[in-house]
Order: sequence, then structure tokens, then C-alpha cells
Amino acid sequence: AQSVTQPDIHITVSEGASLELRCNYSYGATPYLFWYVQSPGQGLQLLLKYFSGDTLVQGIKGFEAEFKRSQSSFNLRKPSVHWSDAAEYFCAVADNNNDMRFGAGTRLTVKP
Amino acid sequence: DTAVSQTPKYLVTQMGNDKSIKCEQNLGHDTMYWYKQDSKKFLKIMFSYNNKELIINETVPNRFSPKSPDKAHLNLHINSLELGDSAVYFCASSSSGSPLHFGNGTRLTVT
Repeated sequence: AQSVTQPDIHITVSEGASLELRCNYSYGATPYLFWYVQSPGQGLQLLLKYFSGDTLVQGIKGFEAEFKRSQSSFNLRKPSVHWSDAAEYFCAVADNNNDMRFGAGTRLTVKP
Repeated sequence: DTAVSQTPKYLVTQMGNDKSIKCEQNLGHDTMYWYKQDSKKFLKIMFSYNNKELIINETVPNRFSPKSPDKAHLNLHINSLELGDSAVYFCASSSSGSPLHFGNGTRLTVT
């Protein structure tokens, strides 16, 4: 079955700095890849998705992610972080049957 | 209008009790899911239903029984609750090739 690894449990960045959250997946076929964000006490909100086509995908709130098949990666980036971006970020991979599996999450702290 | 709604939002109960969590989606999706998020924020799929048919049934104690009366509803019944069942339970829905839409979660606390 497909799986996801998010190597960083917790990341701290300063407001205005750039951000990259790492995600590696394991799946035998072309994956469907997603990034979700979860604010404290809230549900999960979709940031962006990759199904096919252009490997650089744009999402909401100024986020983007790049699918690199050779590295089995789908890292999330943002050029300039805002304090409101502090949250838990989840990478996910799904198969053709929409069986979606999540990584363990990366907690983002933003320093003023 | 809430796309995926779960009730209740909070549920506090004692060990040994039986409780249910309800989920409804108004997105017209044909697949619904239950995920469990533990205290370390790890999200684990429990079940998925497609058009009322059970598709995914992970290794979950048989005290947990999902029920899908129609494709817009997927309820979760839990018998003989245990301390380890304390978690946040998320309902989600999707259609083929689309991302999952999540509800806001039900925080279950077993005392």
C-alpha cells in the first residue's frame, strides 16, 4: 500500500522567511499527491493537489509544491511565511481508488 | 452551508459505554471515510464506503462499526468504549479523482 514520510516533526521559521516542508511517498504507480493544513482544533483544509501534468502546482495562501518522480518527493514551499501560517501540515498520497494515506505531519511555528 | 458535517463536536463518556458519531455530506460525493487522529496528530484511515458499500476496512477493533444508510451519510458506532479510543475522529468524503473534504472532527474523550 502507499505511504508517506514527512521527515520533519517540527519546523520553526521567522516571519517573512522562506519555507520548505519535505514529503516523500512510496507508491508503485503514478500517485495522487496532496498537502493539507490543520489549524488547532480545526479540520483539514486542502492546500493543493497533484494529479498529472505540470509538476509544479500552485495552491491557496501562496503555497506551491513540486512533484519530483525521481526523488519520490512532493515538497511544499512558500517564499515568505506569515504568522497565520503556523499550523500542522500533512502530506498525503492516494491511489486510483481514492485510498488516501497521510504522513505524520509537520508542525510549523512562526517566530515574530 | 457546511459540506461535511459531523455531530457531536465533543463527546465525553465513560469506559464501557456505547456511542455514535454521525456524518453527513452535501457534496454529492460517492465515497465517505472515517479517520482517527491520535494525540500525536497521526491520521489513520479506519473505513471507507463507496455508494454504501464497504471498501476499506483497516485493522480496527470490531467494537467499531460503520453504517451507511445512504451515500450522503456514514455513521460510526463504537461499543464498549475504552480509554485508548480517546482521539479526534474525522469524517471525509470524495468522488473519484477528487481530494477528500473533511469535517471539523469529533473529539472523543473516554474517562
